[in-house]
Amino acid sequence: DTAVSQTPKYLVTQMGNDKSIKCEQNLGHDTMYWYKQDSKKFLKIMFSYNNKELIINETVPNRFSPKSPDKAHLNLHINSLELGDSAVYFCASSRTNTDTQYFGPGTRLTVL
Amino acid sequence: SQQGEEDPQALSIQEGENATMNCSYKTSINNLQWYRQNSGRGLVHLILIRSNEREKHSGRLRVTLDTSKKSSSLLITASRAADTASYFCATDYNDYKLSFGAGTTVTVRA
Repeated sequence: DTAVSQTPKYLVTQMGNDKSIKCEQNLGHDTMYWYKQDSKKFLKIMFSYNNKELIINETVPNRFSPKSPDKAHLNLHINSLELGDSAVYFCASSRTNTDTQYFGPGTRLTVL
Repeated sequence: SQQGEEDPQALSIQEGENATMNCSYKTSINNLQWYRQNSGRGLVHLILIRSNEREKHSGRLRVTLDTSKKSSSLLITASRAADTASYFCATDYNDYKLSFGAGTTVTVRA
């Protein structure tokens, strides 16, 4: 009965590769998010979606492309990975944009 | 920037003591949320306090909000070793995102 799940949990890859992270929520929420946490634990919003529509793209390079096939899923595809992309990526969801956000367990991406 | 700022950056206390951490922010908010993150783990939601609320409790947690000072505090009473974690405040400006502070690292010594 996991609320917000992400796969994979760990991702180790070479520079220049393309990779995807998947996120699913079974809470029936309308809004989903991607956050990036850097090595200093600073969390920053990347994208917000509401009912499959992109609401926020917080100056993220266009190598990052989110896709929401339905309200329960928000996947993140990253092209041409760079060393600076190494971080922990968290997916989250909330009932509406002003409610509690529930976070997934995170995906630790390491680019070599 | 809009993110909250936590104070102190780190806190070390003895088991059984209370821990207090503060969060300040810059502009009017819709709500403020506190999260806990254990080392290497995801974020766990603790409490959401809305702009028209002044205090909320959840178990051993007490959160206050002073919108005139643009600040919030999180109090953990009777701390336990399991409370060792990083604590983040996150401000919601009703703009489809949370703005996180840098966190307070709490260490509870047995």
